[in-house]
This record gives sequence, C-alpha cells and structure tokens, in this order.
Amino acid sequence: AQKVTQAQTEISVVEKEDVTLDCVYETRDTTYYLFWYKQPPSGELVFLIRRNSFDEQNEISGRYSWNFQKSTSSFNFTITASQVVDSAVYFCALILRGNNDMRFGAGTRLTVKP
Amino acid sequence: DAGVTQSPTHLIKTRGQQVTLRCSPKSGHDTVSWYQQALGQGPQFIFQYYEEEERQRGNFPDRFSGHQFPNYSSELNVNALLLGDSALYLCASSLEPGLAGYNEQFFGPGTRLTVL
Repeated sequence: AQKVTQAQTEISVVEKEDVTLDCVYETRDTTYYLFWYKQPPSGELVFLIRRNSFDEQNEISGRYSWNFQKSTSSFNFTITASQVVDSAVYFCALILRGNNDMRFGAGTRLTVKP
Repeated sequence: DAGVTQSPTHLIKTRGQQVTLRCSPKSGHDTVSWYQQALGQGPQFIFQYYEEEERQRGNFPDRFSGHQFPNYSSELNVNALLLGDSALYLCASSLEPGLAGYNEQFFGPGTRLTVL
C-alpha cells in the first residue's frame, strides 16, 4: 500500500524567508508519480509539479524548487523569498502507474507574515 | 475554456438524508474522480468514472455511489448521511491515460457538505 507523510502540520515564516516543506512517501512499486498541490482558502487544489519515479532531476520554477531523492523516499518543496500570497495549505501526493487512487499527505499549512 | 465546475458550493443536510453533488469536467476530459476532504486532512479517493462506469473505488461504503453521463459530467450520491460525512467534496477531471500511465487531474473548487 502507498502512503504519504507530511510531518509538518503548520509552518509560519516572515516574508522573504526561505521555507522547505517536507514530504516522505512509501510504496513498493517502481513506477509512480509524485505531486505537489497548493490549496488556497477557496478550496480548489492548484497543481504545482509532477515527477515520475524515473526522473530524479531537481526542478526549479521561479521561486519554487523541488528535491526528489529516491534513496530517502522524499520529495521536498522549497519556496525561496516567500511572499504573503504563498500562504496556503500544501499537499504532497502519490499515485501508482495503472492505479487511479491518488494518495495525499495530511498537508502543511504555510503562513507567510508581512 | 471553463475548468472543472461543481455545484452546489455549499450544502447543509441532516443525518439520514440523501445528497447529490454535481461535477462538470474540464472541456475535452473524459474521466472524473471524486475525493472527500475532511477538515484538516488531505483528500481521500472515493471513486473514478470512465465511459459511464465506475472504474475504481477507494475505501468508502456503498452509501457512496456515483454516475457519469454521456457528456462526461458526473454525480456523487451519498445516502443515509452521517455526521462524519461532513467534508469538502472535490471533483477532478482528466483524460484517460491509456498506455501513458497517468494524465494530470484538474480539480474543481469543491462542494462543502455539512451534516447536522
């Protein structure tokens, strides 16, 4: 069975600080996909990134970067120079190839104070 | 291009009642998945519909049922409501992945159900 753990329930930072959101996953499958979603107060899940299990390259998109390490089963998300608009709940998720059951972590609530 | 839409936005029901939630997928999408998100938790997969049939189901009782129409829109029905069914219900649409393995899911804004 697959599982996603986000150990950080809540994080609070001051604007312009860097912040890393941790994600640890469990699966015995060799082909899977990992995701990060942002959920603002409106409730809609906003897709941020997808990684497949064969692509361990780290990725940077503007102020966002992701560190995927299969050796530690982690897929961490870093926001550089955080902004108030980054305040939201962030979810890490895992789906196996051929399976439609996307497993989400419990989420990390990020608050960025001005 | 309209994204995924859901109705209603909010709903209040009492225990034992039945409820129907609706979802219209993103244009061009043929697959609809439903998730339940309890307060303070991550979404949990309820089931997925493709070609008007339930293709896969998560760990939810038979009180939860669904339907997909020929235009790909979908309904989620919950019978004999319990207090614990209070949650945000999210619909996600995608293209059937076929051999590609996975296609990105686009989520709607959700329906917030309160059971009193």
